[in-house]
Amino acid sequence: TQLLEQSPQFLSIQEGENLTVYCNSSSVFSSLQWYRQEPGEGPVLLVTVVTGGEVKKLKRLTFQFGDARKDSSLHITAAQPGDTGLYLCAGSTGANSKLTFGKGITLSVRP
Amino acid sequence: NAGVTQTPKFRVLKTGQSMTLLCAQDMNHEYMYWYRQDPGMGLRLIHYSVGEGTTAKGEVPDGYNVSRLKKQNFLLGLESAAPSQTSVYFCASRDPGLEILVYEQYFGPGTRLTVT
Repeated sequence: TQLLEQSPQFLSIQEGENLTVYCNSSSVFSSLQWYRQEPGEGPVLLVTVVTGGEVKKLKRLTFQFGDARKDSSLHITAAQPGDTGLYLCAGSTGANSKLTFGKGITLSVRP
Repeated sequence: NAGVTQTPKFRVLKTGQSMTLLCAQDMNHEYMYWYRQDPGMGLRLIHYSVGEGTTAKGEVPDGYNVSRLKKQNFLLGLESAAPSQTSVYFCASRDPGLEILVYEQYFGPGTRLTVT
């Protein structure tokens, strides 16, 4: 069973601050995704990383896939209240059609 | 193009009652999934389907049944609801696509089920 551990579980910060959150595993994944979920809605895909060491940027969000493809980080620059939500990472081994999800990181950005 | 839709949005059941949750997608996706989301537990896969007429068990299948009679629909059934099945249920779909490593899933808005 592949497990994805996300940390921290909860994070509350002031608008304008920077933050980094993590998604770690002892297993190797062929690809890893980050989703954001807002209250009362389903998760929405933010990014997919495939290559070890890969860095992708989405406006103020920077995603990195570890060199060994076992972990990933999400860095948010100058957080805004609109960034508030649950951030889920999900990994795929490529051998089947299922994703393994982490338990998520609840981020609250105060105005 | 509505994407993935789920009905109903909310439901309250008494222990022992049965119900069916409907998921529909208009993206012609082959793969469809049912998850449940509980506080502190993340998303857990209940059942999934890789094509019309096929179903398979996920991580937490007990107490649930599914059917995929049409490609665009995936039904989740609870034959005898229990309080432990109180949860938010999400349906998702995806296209295998050309890039086998990329597993982008599209989620519905969820169904909030309470079993008393």
